[in-house]
Amino acid sequence: DAGVIQSPRHEVTEMGQEVTLRCKPISGHNSLFWYRQTMMRGLELLIYFNNNVPIDDSGMPEDRFSAKMPNASFSTLKIQPSEPRDSAVYFCASSSIQRLWGEEDEQYFGPGTRLTVT
Amino acid sequence: AQSVTQLGSHVSVSEGALVLLRCNYSSSVPPYLFWYVQYPNQGLQLLLKYTSAATLVKGINGFEAEFKKSETSFHLTKPSAHMSDAAEYFCAVSVTYGGATNKLIFGTGTLLAVQP
Repeated sequence: DAGVIQSPRHEVTEMGQEVTLRCKPISGHNSLFWYRQTMMRGLELLIYFNNNVPIDDSGMPEDRFSAKMPNASFSTLKIQPSEPRDSAVYFCASSSIQRLWGEEDEQYFGPGTRLTVT
Repeated sequence: AQSVTQLGSHVSVSEGALVLLRCNYSSSVPPYLFWYVQYPNQGLQLLLKYTSAATLVKGINGFEAEFKKSETSFHLTKPSAHMSDAAEYFCAVSVTYGGATNKLIFGTGTLLAVQP
């Protein structure tokens, strides 16, 4: 398996522009997570989906951020308009949640997208 | 609410020395606990996980962690550090949401440096 795929790996944009980050989870996984990592705030969960449905978006910082998962193999995280404080590394992760007691699968992380907003 | 605290944002050891990275958890229910490693410019990779089957958990690359309920700890250890162990290490606790999905709450991370 190719693992979790994210694109682009690096994105440099100007303040005010729209930014779209993409993620392809591991085939067969039914949960998908978007994280943001910064030096100041560490690793933060932004939103997660189960079976393509957003379960908890309480970590999304502002209305400028939105995420979609139109199907099981694709998700996007959009920032519009972008601001310099959005500069961070954004990770996507996927996992397969088992319903049996005691089954707790790991989250597999993508390589991340390094976003720089100038 | 579940949470984890990692003591020491930076740890430096000599090659061949014992590695000890500390993690304490807070949870009102039996927790699932994880250690992840992040190498420079890469995503996180699972080292090991505790899911109540055994208190001493062995992971990849010679790492292990012991769950101690009395101390609410899940410290990560490795008997002998290698240069290749230099990375950032994250402790995490799993939070189950309505029995349908788990999400991970991460600690702030510990950056491990290995000196030759």
